Amino acid sequence: SYVLTQPPSVSVAPGKTARITCGGNNIGSKSVHWYQQKPGQAPVLVIYYDSDRPSGIPERFSGSNSGNTATLTISRVEAGDEADYYCQVWDSSSDHPHGVFGGGTKLTVL
Amino acid sequence: QVQLVQSGAEVKKPGASVKVSCKASGYTFTSYGISWVRQAPGQGLEWMGWISAYNGNTNYAQKLQGRVTMTTDTSTSTAYMELRSLRSDDTAVYYCARDLCSGGSCYGYFDYWGQGTLVTVSS
Repeated sequence: SYVLTQPPSVSVAPGKTARITCGGNNIGSKSVHWYQQKPGQAPVLVIYYDSDRPSGIPERFSGSNSGNTATLTISRVEAGDEADYYCQVWDSSSDHPHGVFGGGTKLTVL
Repeated sequence: QVQLVQSGAEVKKPGASVKVSCKASGYTFTSYGISWVRQAPGQGLEWMGWISAYNGNTNYAQKLQGRVTMTTDTSTSTAYMELRSLRSDDTAVYYCARDLCSGGSCYGYFDYWGQGTLVTVSS
């Protein structure tokens, strides 16, 4: 089955740029979606199809995907960005593609 | 506005079944699907499967095959997830999420989520 690897934690100072990676075999050939989850809340979609932003998501959130790594970039990080972030793809190695999530990355704003 | 409202928390004994509901509003129910995602305490997200509200097609995670059934009631715009033969490691918050579908298959992104339903399995 397809495995997505995320760093368990990333720390960044306010106003700086945070980069959260999502590694997978030839992930650049797949569409990657990113979700933000704050404690006690449901996840929120922040990036879809590698780099598209849903309405209401700040332009500070951007995404890229190439080769074996997809990256969620958060510019000018704010305290309110502190959350867990998950990447997600569809694993098409079987007849019926299955959803796969990365293990999640806890973003800490110093 | 799009809303997914889930049923309340459940406590079940091992071996029992649970059925969680997810009532949708604010969009054309049959134009999308519903994926179910669960999260064990302190753990990450786990995709469980999806159902197309258009034609009832389903696709379940392999590890849950035979124990899970997803259904919809288009007359009430409600999706249901039933999990049988519950074990302690099924204890989790269960989320429904709207999924983009095409031609009865749902392999999109999850743009709206329910508030979550805590299912506790304990003797």
